[in-house]
Amino acid sequence: EQQVQQSPASLVLQEAENAELQCSFSIFTNQVQWFYQRPGGRLVSLLYNPSGTKQSGRLTSTTVIKERRSSLHISSSQITDSGTYLCAMDRGSALGRLHFGAGTQLIVIP
Amino acid sequence: ETAVFQTPNYHVTQVGNEVSFNCKQTLGHDTMYWYKQDSKKLLKIMFSYNNKQLIVNETVPRRFSPQSSDKAHLNLRIKSVEPEDSAVYLCASSYWPLYEQYFGPGTRLTVL
Repeated sequence: EQQVQQSPASLVLQEAENAELQCSFSIFTNQVQWFYQRPGGRLVSLLYNPSGTKQSGRLTSTTVIKERRSSLHISSSQITDSGTYLCAMDRGSALGRLHFGAGTQLIVIP
Repeated sequence: ETAVFQTPNYHVTQVGNEVSFNCKQTLGHDTMYWYKQDSKKLLKIMFSYNNKQLIVNETVPRRFSPQSSDKAHLNLRIKSVEPEDSAVYLCASSYWPLYEQYFGPGTRLTVL
């Protein structure tokens, strides 16, 4: 059972366009975190956003816990934004074990 | 800035061998984790551990075991590797219980 669903699975943007990535959860969560990963690269934390709206540079995440969803908005995309964006949540269990979605593969072209 | 360290970067071994991977964090966190990333890039939690509690994902085979000397270190031992163990193993740390997790660069295991 896939408890974290991400959409779209892949996305191609032209440089400077905006992107909206979606994440939905099949069960209640109180911990949501967005990550970025290049092929063969380290998993980098982008935003930790258990509720409400949080911003970091060109990234904005909005989490609505009651609706079991979170989104990541990337404004003015750059070629270096290309990679995989992963959403993760904690099922509310002890010790904050994250459960990951399959990711959105973003490709930004010139 | 690297604050979660893993060694080795890569390891190639044969079926039936024992392997051990190291993880160290310098963030002062009290909880550490091991995740497995398979060939399809899907990430799954294996273990979470702090000085009071170890939680094992029920799908993890018994040949896997975490080993900790202190709250800054959490190693992973695999007693007798099998081909399906080929994957990238990621270590992470955080403050317990609901805080941002930071990941290491991973150890890529190839079982021949």
